[in-house]
Amino acid sequence: SAVISQKPSRDICQRGTSLTIQCQVDSQVTMMFWYRQQPGQSLTLIATANQGSEATYESGFVIDKFPISRPNLTFSTLTVSNMSPEDSSIYLCSVGSSTGYEQYFGPGTRLTVT
Amino acid sequence: AQSVAQPEDQVNVAEGNPLTVKCTYSVSGNPYLFWYVQYPNRGLQFLLKYITGDNLVKGSYGFEAEFNKSQTSFHLKKPSALVSDSALYFCAVRDVGTGGFKTIFGAGTRLFVKA
Repeated sequence: SAVISQKPSRDICQRGTSLTIQCQVDSQVTMMFWYRQQPGQSLTLIATANQGSEATYESGFVIDKFPISRPNLTFSTLTVSNMSPEDSSIYLCSVGSSTGYEQYFGPGTRLTVT
Repeated sequence: AQSVAQPEDQVNVAEGNPLTVKCTYSVSGNPYLFWYVQYPNRGLQFLLKYITGDNLVKGSYGFEAEFNKSQTSFHLKKPSALVSDSALYFCAVRDVGTGGFKTIFGAGTRLFVKA
């Protein structure tokens, strides 16, 4: 299984600012995913990020609000822009397994917007 | 559209007793089905999956799940619960027919195992 790290692990940010979350994987992976999870709640897919192409966003999420970079096969960033308290959540990075079925998840970034 | 339902917000079981966490799904084609577990203050961990073949699949930590196509269910089971099994469990589905990798997660079921 892949080992995934995320930075920062948590942050408290002011309304109107932006935060960039980093996701590092210990092996090369084709597909990376960004999810949002309210504590104790289900996961909502924000976007799928493949190296060398534009990220694919799910309904309700737009690139201007959640720009994603995927410069290589082991790294990705998600920026939460012009934050509001409604953006307070846990943001999870995930990668597809080598089998192409299950996913592995990072520890998450807990974001609080005040 | 694909969806997954976990009808129980919470399941309580005594240690040593069998446990079941329920999951039903809806897809237009054939499903890939998964169970993940989230321990407090930790990321999600993959438990097991059904792709094809035998309807009973075994996974990590003694868990197993049975795929029932007629009932569109994929319930998670364990013969003897441990206190350490207390966690948040997510069922997830992917529609094979879409050809994509998008996975839909259920709302989660919190399992409490009492000593």
